[in-house]
Amino acid sequence: AQKVTQAQTEISVVEKEDVTLDCVYETRDTTYYLFWYKQPPSGELVFLIRRNSFDEQNEISGRYSWNFQKSTSSFNFTITASQVVDSAVYFCALSALIQGAQKLVFGQGTRLTINP
Amino acid sequence: DTGVSQDPRHKITKRGQNVTFRCDPISEHNRLYWYRQTLGQGPEFLTYFQNEAQLEKSRLLSDRFSAERPKGSFSTLEIQRTEQGDSAMYLCASSRGLSQPQHFGDGTRLSIL
Repeated sequence: AQKVTQAQTEISVVEKEDVTLDCVYETRDTTYYLFWYKQPPSGELVFLIRRNSFDEQNEISGRYSWNFQKSTSSFNFTITASQVVDSAVYFCALSALIQGAQKLVFGQGTRLTINP
Repeated sequence: DTGVSQDPRHKITKRGQNVTFRCDPISEHNRLYWYRQTLGQGPEFLTYFQNEAQLEKSRLLSDRFSAERPKGSFSTLEIQRTEQGDSAMYLCASSRGLSQPQHFGDGTRLSIL
């Protein structure tokens, strides 16, 4: 069975601080995808990144960076120089390919609050 | 691209009533997914369509739930004889292909009185 654990329920930092959101996953599949989504107060889930299980290169996109470590089954997300607009709930997700469906298994989310 | 569109945004109904939600995916996306999200939790998979075929249903989907995608375009999710436990956000997502990211709509928030 697939499982995603986001141990940090809530994080609160002051603007301009760096913050890392942790994600640990469990799967028996050799091929899988990992995702991060952002859910602002308005409610929609916004896709941030997808990483496949064969690509362990870290990725940077502006102030966002992701660290994928297969050895520890982790896919952590760092926001550098955080801004108030980064306040949201962030979800890590794992895709399980079942009967041709890319079923996403989500963690419980981390509520990030950036204080001015 | 226009995004995934869901209607209505909010639905308030009395226990025992039937409700139907609609999802319009991104036009060229042939895969469509429904998820349910309760307060403080991540979304949970409900069902999946590839074109008009419903290929996967979660055990969360009791026999009171039914989903259709009649022409492989929009989809509807119906809940019959609603119960308090059905109160949740119902999210629809679509994707271009099997390994492509899923793009989500704004969701329909269901409240059962």
